[in-house]
Amino acid sequence: DSGVTQTPKHLITATGQRVTLRCSPRSGDLSVYWYQQSLDQGLQFLIQYYNGEERAKGNILERFSAQQFPDLHSELNLSSLELGDSALYFCASSVEGFSPLHFGNGTRLTVT
Amino acid sequence: AQKVTQAQTEISVVEKEDVTLDCVYETRDTTYYLFWYKQPPSGELVFLIRRNSFDEQNEISGRYSWNFQKSTSSFNFTITASQVVDSAVYFCALSVFSQGAQKLVFGQGTRLTINP
Repeated sequence: DSGVTQTPKHLITATGQRVTLRCSPRSGDLSVYWYQQSLDQGLQFLIQYYNGEERAKGNILERFSAQQFPDLHSELNLSSLELGDSALYFCASSVEGFSPLHFGNGTRLTVT
Repeated sequence: AQKVTQAQTEISVVEKEDVTLDCVYETRDTTYYLFWYKQPPSGELVFLIRRNSFDEQNEISGRYSWNFQKSTSSFNFTITASQVVDSAVYFCALSVFSQGAQKLVFGQGTRLTINP
């Protein structure tokens, strides 16, 4: 158990809808990362937050947004969903610097 | 730009064979870290090892060993006497620090199947 909690485990929704994925980092970790894993793109970095502030952005679409709250949990919001957004979304947390990222079990999103 | 290449998409071996997973990386940074993660069929990503760019010592942990060679920009992972439970997708990753943030770039992964 990595200590990172992601909910829900599975999400099935229709195109055009909006969903929210939630992540609770390991106790003591200030950084939260979001990754998307799809069959054709592999593991793609989306966005990182550190102690409530956005720290780095990767290949995150404008339809996607995220935030980290004062209690350090994070939410990833996906809107105007398309079939191609179907993927496994991982949240990871770390202490700082080059610390290893510890990943949650992921949320599997299916857009129909 | 940083890049990680895992040329082996899939490997299939019989139990008890030794198997090596290759990882080649590209970066212009002199300070970086390399990682290996395991993704078993259940889907979670499990951290296996971290190695910094200044430490080229090989590491052994039980049946697992890692060979880091800066001269060839490689960080290969060997499983000795493989077991069925080793079946998983293995990811190599490169981390550099840029603009105040750690950027972790993953390779495409190698799917390892250990057959009984």
